[in-house]
Amino acid sequence: EAGVVQSPRYKIIEKKQPVAFWCNPISGHNTLYWYLQNLGQGPELLIRYENEEAVDDSQLPKDRFSAERLKGVDSTLKIQPAELGDSAVYLCASSLDPTSGGADTGELFFGEGSRLTVL
Amino acid sequence: QKEVEQDPGPLSVPEGAIVSLNCTYSNSAFQYFMWYRQYSRKGPELLMYTYSSGNKEDGRFTAQVDKSSKYISLFIRDSQPSDSATYLCAKYNFNKFYFGSGTKLNVKP
Repeated sequence: EAGVVQSPRYKIIEKKQPVAFWCNPISGHNTLYWYLQNLGQGPELLIRYENEEAVDDSQLPKDRFSAERLKGVDSTLKIQPAELGDSAVYLCASSLDPTSGGADTGELFFGEGSRLTVL
Repeated sequence: QKEVEQDPGPLSVPEGAIVSLNCTYSNSAFQYFMWYRQYSRKGPELLMYTYSSGNKEDGRFTAQVDKSSKYISLFIRDSQPSDSATYLCAKYNFNKFYFGSGTKLNVKP
């Protein structure tokens, strides 16, 4: 079974440029997460989707970040314009619907991440 | 105060050593506790989870939760160079995961 797929793996851009990251979750996983991981830190939630609905976007900097999950499968995270401080790894994760007990097992399935460098 | 605080490390041990990784957490609402392992330039992967106090064993790994002191520990017996990674403790409650900052472990051959 394929895991969570993210692209691109690496991206280098200049500040003020836009960037987009794509995520394909594990088939059948209704819940999709975007996390930000700074060097030497744990993942921090940016946004969580239940199917197409963003149910928790309280930590998403909405002035420059946007996300979408059309048709409740793939998702895209966009930054426009990028700032130097956005350099980090952007992790996508998926899980079964927590209300069905999937995430109660504590299993988030992560992709390998998209490493962003803003110059 | 962060939901989960983790000893930052790094930790360097010789092969075969017993490793102890520790975290503390705040908030006593019903929740699960987890340990994730993250190899360099990879995403985290679940190593173990538990929701009760006491020990849970899986091969060379033992997860321990002490709810009275709000302490989470991971013990690795007979550590191997392949265990070299960053270990993240985490808790889950109310549909949210909270991660510690990770402890980088290096097991020297």
